[in-house]
Amino acid sequence: DAGVIQSPRHEVTEMGQEVTLRCKPISGHDYLFWYRQTMMRGLELLIYFNNNVPIDDSGMPEDRFSAKMPNASFSTLKIQPSEPRDSAVYFCASSFRGPGAYNEQFFGPGTRLTVL
Amino acid sequence: GNSVTQMEGPVTLSEEAFLTINCTYTATGYPSLFWYVQYPGEGLQLLLKATKADDKGSNKGFEATYRKETTSFHLEKGSVQVSDSAVYFCALTSNFGNEKLTFGTGTRLTIIP
Repeated sequence: DAGVIQSPRHEVTEMGQEVTLRCKPISGHDYLFWYRQTMMRGLELLIYFNNNVPIDDSGMPEDRFSAKMPNASFSTLKIQPSEPRDSAVYFCASSFRGPGAYNEQFFGPGTRLTVL
Repeated sequence: GNSVTQMEGPVTLSEEAFLTINCTYTATGYPSLFWYVQYPGEGLQLLLKATKADDKGSNKGFEATYRKETTSFHLEKGSVQVSDSAVYFCALTSNFGNEKLTFGTGTRLTIIP
């Protein structure tokens, strides 16, 4: 398997623009997680899905952030409008809950977002 | 709630030195415990895990033992290499249906030749 795939790897945009980050989880995984990593706040869980349904979005910072998972192989994280303080590395991770599985999450390479 | 307290860094060691990164946790029930590693410019990778008390996880020369009596999961390596320079995260997850990983703050390790 190719692992978790994220695109783009780097995104530079101007304040006020819409940004869409994409994630393809590992095939067969039923959980998908979106994280944000900054020097100041470390690694933060934004939202996670189970079987394409959002389970916990308590980490989403504000209404400018939204996430969707239209099917088992694709998820998006959208920021509209973007602000400089959104600059961070955004990670997607997936996991499988089943016999012998212990909630191990597999991370993608991340998208480095810079908002000017 | 669940929490992970991790040794603060940064940690700088010479090559071939012995490494310990401390990790203690608070959790309900019987959590699974993990160490993740993040190399520069990359995502987090699972380094090792332990799913019940007294289990020892090991990988790439790293080891950690699940100590329920001291609620600890310290990471050790007998002889570090320059290639071990990375950020190390201790984490746990509950086995009661909550799939969230609770991470420590991370410890940046630098190995000098």
